[in-house]
Amino acid sequence: DVKVTQSSRYLVKRTGEKVFLECVQDMDHENMFWYRQDPGLGLRLIYFSYDVKMKEKGDIPEGYSVSREKKERFSLILESASTNQTSMYLCASSSGPPAVKGEFFGPGTRLTVL
Amino acid sequence: GQSLEQPSEVTAVEGAIVQINCTYQTSGFYGLSWYQQHDGGAPTFLSYNALDGLEETGRFSSFLSRSDSYGYLLLQELQMKDSASYFCAVKGFNKFYFGSGTKLNVKP
Repeated sequence: DVKVTQSSRYLVKRTGEKVFLECVQDMDHENMFWYRQDPGLGLRLIYFSYDVKMKEKGDIPEGYSVSREKKERFSLILESASTNQTSMYLCASSSGPPAVKGEFFGPGTRLTVL
Repeated sequence: GQSLEQPSEVTAVEGAIVQINCTYQTSGFYGLSWYQQHDGGAPTFLSYNALDGLEETGRFSSFLSRSDSYGYLLLQELQMKDSASYFCAVKGFNKFYFGSGTKLNVKP
């Protein structure tokens, strides 16, 4: 059974804190993605990675960074959390060309920044 | 910028057929994808159209017309469990654009 797991379902942080969101997949997928989902805006791609140590900016990378040191793990980092980063964060993974194949999504992390 | 337009909400009865449309203003993308998301759940990939025409997967079909900048998702023999939000998306190499979703309500 394919599985994408995220470190937390709910997270509350304070403005200015450094926040780490972790994602692990057990499908040996090359591609991993971080999205955020906000009401009325759909999903927006923050960053993706198509190989270990490789990363590409998505549509809204500002205020975020990522790390992929191992194939199965993709971390999203908020260097200095702000209230406008309160959102649902979804990690996903896929194989093959990143823009072609459908992704498998994790359960999401609902982050609240106070 | 890029934009995808979908109806915000659609209601249909169990057993019926429903079509969810998606129009977009972008070019240079590889294909049109559709996702399903139940309340409180994660999105699930449903289908992908790389070429113009109809792709069928069980009760679900998806259509793309690049010349019309238009696609749709067709759901047949609706079941109560199909009540969910449905998103269309177009993807280029590092640009993935999603619509804001259509909430489908299936009534008995």
